[in-house]
Amino acid sequence: GEDVEQSLFLSVREGDSSVINCTYTDSSSTYLYWYKQEPGAGLQLLTYIFSNMDMKQDQRLTVLLNKKDKHLSLRIADTQTGDSAIYFCAEPDTGRRALTFGSGTRLQVQP
Amino acid sequence: DAGVIQSPRHEVTEMGQEVTLRCKPISGHNSLFWYRQTMMRGLELLIYFNNNVPIDDSGMPEDRFSAKMPNASFSTLKIQPSEPRDSAVYFCASSLGRRNLHYGYTFGSGTRLTVV
Repeated sequence: GEDVEQSLFLSVREGDSSVINCTYTDSSSTYLYWYKQEPGAGLQLLTYIFSNMDMKQDQRLTVLLNKKDKHLSLRIADTQTGDSAIYFCAEPDTGRRALTFGSGTRLQVQP
Repeated sequence: DAGVIQSPRHEVTEMGQEVTLRCKPISGHNSLFWYRQTMMRGLELLIYFNNNVPIDDSGMPEDRFSAKMPNASFSTLKIQPSEPRDSAVYFCASSLGRRNLHYGYTFGSGTRLTVV
């Protein structure tokens, strides 16, 4: 099956940019996703990118996709304390036809 | 829409007891997923349904776990008998299916299960 990898922890200061990285395995993935999980809550879809795109921007969020290296990143500009959460990247598992999630990156924003 | 609704939010049970987790997907979504989240293993897909039919249950840990979807608006995940290693947060998610992949999945708030 697919294996999605992320670093476990990132700490930034409020106002700085955050970059969360992810590597995935299935080059045929049509969409790749970023989800956010706040404490005690379920996962919330933040954004997605279609595989024929290199970049997608949505307000403070920028997603970069490098298909050659199977690398996905999420940049959060002007990071706020409310951005503190766990961020998951996900790709469709073509075998099981369901999303496979990375281990999650815990983002800590220091005031 | 109220989103994906899971109940109960928290469940504490003794080892050996039967546990039933419930999920109401978003109306109109035709795919439903059960995931389990633990510190050690992260998010694991247990089973998913498409149009109320189980499609892939290869993630179900063992025979103690079973899931049903009797209609489009309700699903259950049952553990019988429960064991301490089943302690986790169980999430239900629904989606519009493969023709609408860009919408992703909508997750419920989860059920935190503690088996003592």
